[in-house]
Amino acid sequence: DARVTQTPRHKVTEMGQEVTMRCQPILGHNTVFWYRQTMMQGLELLAYFRNRAPLDDSGMPKDRFSAEMPDATLATLKIQPSEPRDSAVYFCASGYRDGNTDTQYFGPGTRLTVL
Amino acid sequence: AQSVSQHNHHVILSEAASLELGCNYSYGGTVNLFWYVQYPGQHLQLLLKYFSGDPLVKGIKGFEAEFIKSKFSFNLRKPSVQWSDTAEYFCAVKRSQGNLIFGKGTKLSVKP
Repeated sequence: DARVTQTPRHKVTEMGQEVTMRCQPILGHNTVFWYRQTMMQGLELLAYFRNRAPLDDSGMPKDRFSAEMPDATLATLKIQPSEPRDSAVYFCASGYRDGNTDTQYFGPGTRLTVL
Repeated sequence: AQSVSQHNHHVILSEAASLELGCNYSYGGTVNLFWYVQYPGQHLQLLLKYFSGDPLVKGIKGFEAEFIKSKFSFNLRKPSVQWSDTAEYFCAVKRSQGNLIFGKGTKLSVKP
């Protein structure tokens, strides 16, 4: 049963520290999405990649967030410096093309707390 | 602006009751529609999806959803809920050239 994996599952850090979250997409999926989930805003798309190329990162605060796919088996989301308002659950999803859209499968998330 | 509305924030039902969760979206044209479920402390799982064809879509765990184009709706239904259905349910809509937009979610609590 193929799954998206994310590490770490939980991260507590102090304001100003760098945070790196990692995602391993399902083998064979060619799209990767990063979402942030908070009580107030719900699920927000931060960025997504197709065939490792960034297609849309308009949902991401550019000054502190960066997303990369160094290879097809790893996607990273980095926050530097982190702030308390970044506290949220960050989900990675990978997808495959099904007709004219992508069906997305979500990872377990990284729960980030910035003190 | 594109939006997906889930009007019920929290629904409380007793076991065996029937469920219908509303989902409306705000734009026309071709859309792809999804329902995801998030069990407490877990990640989102795909329940069902609609791309084209029969507007009544059957998903996993006895859920189904009906796409009504004239009403811009994609309501989720289950004839008889179980305690294990307690979760948060998210409707999501994707336009042909857009990103997947999620609703705010509906929390379902099923009393045993």
